[in-house]
Amino acid sequence: DAGVTQSPTHLIKTRGQHVTLRCSPISGHKSVSWYQQVLGQGPQFIFQYYEKEERGRGNFPDRFSARQFPNYSSELNVNALLLGDSALYLCASSPISDRSTTNEKLFFGSGTQLSVL
Amino acid sequence: EDKVVQSPLSLVVHEGDTVTLNCSYEVTNFRSLLWYKQEKKAPTFLFMLTSSGIEKKSGRLSSILDKKELFSILNITATQTGDSAIYLCAVVGFQGAQKLVFGQGTRLTINP
Repeated sequence: DAGVTQSPTHLIKTRGQHVTLRCSPISGHKSVSWYQQVLGQGPQFIFQYYEKEERGRGNFPDRFSARQFPNYSSELNVNALLLGDSALYLCASSPISDRSTTNEKLFFGSGTQLSVL
Repeated sequence: EDKVVQSPLSLVVHEGDTVTLNCSYEVTNFRSLLWYKQEKKAPTFLFMLTSSGIEKKSGRLSSILDKKELFSILNITATQTGDSAIYLCAVVGFQGAQKLVFGQGTRLTINP
């Protein structure tokens, strides 16, 4: 079975541009989460989506948005890029079976390395 | 605010040594604590602990949780060069979302 897949693997943008990152979860997983990992730090929660609805949002500005599609894939959009947005963006899926469940492990993709110049 | 602190931040040992990685946490309505191994990009799951005092074991790796003292340890015995990685600890609190709060990670280097 395929794991969590993310595209693109690397991306270079300039300040002020916008970017769209894509994620396909493990087959059968309905929950997708996004994390930002800055070099030397642990991943930081951005969003969780379950059954196409936003379940949670981390402490990120409104420039960050996401959505989940009927096939459970997801996109993360970042507008008006800043130098500080340079990071590894990780997508994770989870086999949680209902909206109230939180106690399931996350399976991570290999991430998109975003560089903002 | 939920918080996870890992120590040490960096550790260099020789192959065959035993290492202990530490994770202390503060979280509202604790649900679980997870350990991940990050070698290149994708963190890979090692353990999830929900109950205090019960050791989880997988080969040379083991982990235990102390909910009273709010910490967990990850032990690796007979280390191998392939164990070189960043080890991440994360906690989940009951906040309506499946949100993992990660520590900074411990960078473990195993020298031959």
